[in-house]
Amino acid sequence: DVKVTQSSRYLVKRTGEKVFLECVQDMDHENMFWYRQDPGLGLRLIYFSYDVKMKEKGDIPEGYSVSREKKERFSLILESASTNQTSMYLCATGGTYYEQYFGPGTRLTVT
Amino acid sequence: RKEVEQDPGPFNVPEGATVAFNCTYSNSASQSFFWYRQDCRKEPKLLMSVYSSGNEDGRFTAQLNRASQYISLLIRDSKLSDSATYLCVVNMRDSGYALNFGKGTSLLVTP
Repeated sequence: DVKVTQSSRYLVKRTGEKVFLECVQDMDHENMFWYRQDPGLGLRLIYFSYDVKMKEKGDIPEGYSVSREKKERFSLILESASTNQTSMYLCATGGTYYEQYFGPGTRLTVT
Repeated sequence: RKEVEQDPGPFNVPEGATVAFNCTYSNSASQSFFWYRQDCRKEPKLLMSVYSSGNEDGRFTAQLNRASQYISLLIRDSKLSDSATYLCVVNMRDSGYALNFGKGTSLLVTP
C-alpha cells in the first residue's frame, strides 16, 4: 500500500510565523502535490513537483513556497502565516495512471 | 483550469437504496477519471478509476460518457458505512499530472 505521511495532524501558529509542513512518501513516486481544502471551496492545488528540485505553481501559490530536496519528501512553507491560511492542508503523491494518494492532512490554525 | 461540477447534495437515502451521482467536466481532452471518497475530517481516498467501457467494483458501478462529458457513480444496496462525500476527479490533458477535483456530493445513508 502507498503510504503518505504528514508531519503534524494539528498545528496552531501565530500570524507572521514561518510554518513548515512536511510530507513523506514511501512509494518512489516522482509526482507530489500540496492542496488546501476549505468548506465550500473544495480542494485547491497550491504547488506540485515532478522531480527533485522541480516545482510548479498550482492555482493558489501566493503566500506559499515549496522545497523538494529528496524524492520522497515535499515540504510546504508558509513564509509569514496569515489568518486566511487557516485550513486543512493535504499532501498527495501521484501514481502511474494519474491517480493520487493522500496523506492524513494537517489542520492548521493561524491566530 | 477547467472545472468539474457536481451536485453538492446532500443525498439522504435509506439503507438498501440505490443512489446515483453524476458529474460533468468541461475539457473534452480529459484523459483520466476517478471517484474518490472522503469521510468527515479525513483525507480523500481513491474509490475507483472510471474506464471508457464502464467498470464495477462490488456494489459500485462507474460509467463515463465522453460525448456528453459526464461521469456517473451508482451505489447499490447502500450501507450506513457508505455515508461520506464523493468527489468526482478528472485529469485534464493540459495540466500534466495535476487533477481537477469536484467539490463533492454528500451522501447520508440512514437506518
